[in-house]
Amino acid sequence: SQTIHQWPATLVQPVGSPLSLECTVEGTSNPNLYWYRQAAGRGLQLLFYSVGIGQISSEVPQNLSASRPQDRQFILSSKKLLLSDSGFYLCAWSSRGGIPPGGEQFFGPGTRLTVL
Amino acid sequence: DQQVKQNSPSLSVQEGRISILNCDYTNSMFDYFLWYKKYPAEGPTFLISISSIKDKNEDGRFTVFLNKSAKHLSLHIVPSQPGDSAVYFCAASGGGSNYKLTFGKGTLLTVNP
Repeated sequence: SQTIHQWPATLVQPVGSPLSLECTVEGTSNPNLYWYRQAAGRGLQLLFYSVGIGQISSEVPQNLSASRPQDRQFILSSKKLLLSDSGFYLCAWSSRGGIPPGGEQFFGPGTRLTVL
Repeated sequence: DQQVKQNSPSLSVQEGRISILNCDYTNSMFDYFLWYKKYPAEGPTFLISISSIKDKNEDGRFTVFLNKSAKHLSLHIVPSQPGDSAVYFCAASGGGSNYKLTFGKGTLLTVNP
């Protein structure tokens, strides 16, 4: 069966510090990978998605970047955090083959980031 | 421009009664719709989905209805249970090779014992 891991679970960082959040998927190959953010009182905002190693698409301009160094590894980074980067970050994967065809996505447990 | 809208931020229902969560969309290219349930500090979990070629899909206590002409879908939970209390997200997909989902802002459902 497939599992998705995210770490750390919680993180408190000062403004201006760097960030690295990691996500790994087990039990599947060639997944589509996604990073979302849920800010307080807001919905799920898609930040980045990747359809393969080294292929990253950005949905919104921001202070963050993403990388996919391996097939089942997705990393969210920042060189200098802003207060507005605080939120709940979620990694998700979906099957490349699209079963079901609408692309059901499976989410990780999330990382709560607080920037002070 | 918000393409998937959940206009009710919260809903309170008595245990045993029906919960109806609504979702509207604006993009006519969407052809697949999903509902996710989310507890605090956890990732969303998939509940039920519906293809645009159908108008109803049922799974146990959960039924999703799709009205394409109105660009509206709804999730019915019958009977509602206290464990159903969570935030429910509506999501839509236009297909394609990358399968991006567009999410609504969610509705907080509270089921009172």
